Amino acid sequence: DTGVSQDPRHKITKRGQNVTFRCDPISEHNRLYWYRQTLGQGPEFLTYFQNEAQLEKSRLLSDRFSAERPKGSFSTLEIQRTEQGDSAMYLCASSPQGRETQYFGPGTRLLVL
Amino acid sequence: AQKVTQAQTEISVVEKEDVTLDCVYETRDTTYYLFWYKQPPSGELVFLIRRNSFDEQNEISGRYSWNFQKSTSSFNFTITASQVVDSAVYFCALSEDTGANSKLTFGKGITLSVRP
Repeated sequence: DTGVSQDPRHKITKRGQNVTFRCDPISEHNRLYWYRQTLGQGPEFLTYFQNEAQLEKSRLLSDRFSAERPKGSFSTLEIQRTEQGDSAMYLCASSPQGRETQYFGPGTRLLVL
Repeated sequence: AQKVTQAQTEISVVEKEDVTLDCVYETRDTTYYLFWYKQPPSGELVFLIRRNSFDEQNEISGRYSWNFQKSTSSFNFTITASQVVDSAVYFCALSEDTGANSKLTFGKGITLSVRP
């Protein structure tokens, strides 16, 4: 089994631009999670999917953020009108079901100038 | 609400020393899961161990061992005979057993530096 993959690994953008990140979970993992990690902090939950259904969103996820998992496989996280405060590492994780161990991808490091 | 506290922020040891990383958690649930993850400089979170709240048996895996004590809400991690490759940030995390959203709540992490 290949692990969780994320693309791109690094993204530099100017304030106000839109960015989109992609996550490919471990094959046949039904659960997919997005987390955000800022410098010196632990990851914080953003949202999760059970197959293609987005079941919960954190209050950290402002209206500028949207996530999809159209066919229950890969997922995308889009940030519109980026702000400097969006600079962070965006981590994706997957698990077979709830209560199972989450396996993380390498993350996408975003820098908003 | 659940909370994980890792009071130590940075630890520096010399190679071959033993080191213990502390983790204290808070939850209202009686059933929950505890985890340790390692984050090397590359950034990827690497899963190390998972324990459920009903299994207080301590575990040893090679140079790693874990001490889970429900009475003190602690889940400490010890590395025996540390090596330079153990240098990383270590996160303790908690997940409630809702069966629905099993989101992880992480501590702030402990930066471990192992010097040759």
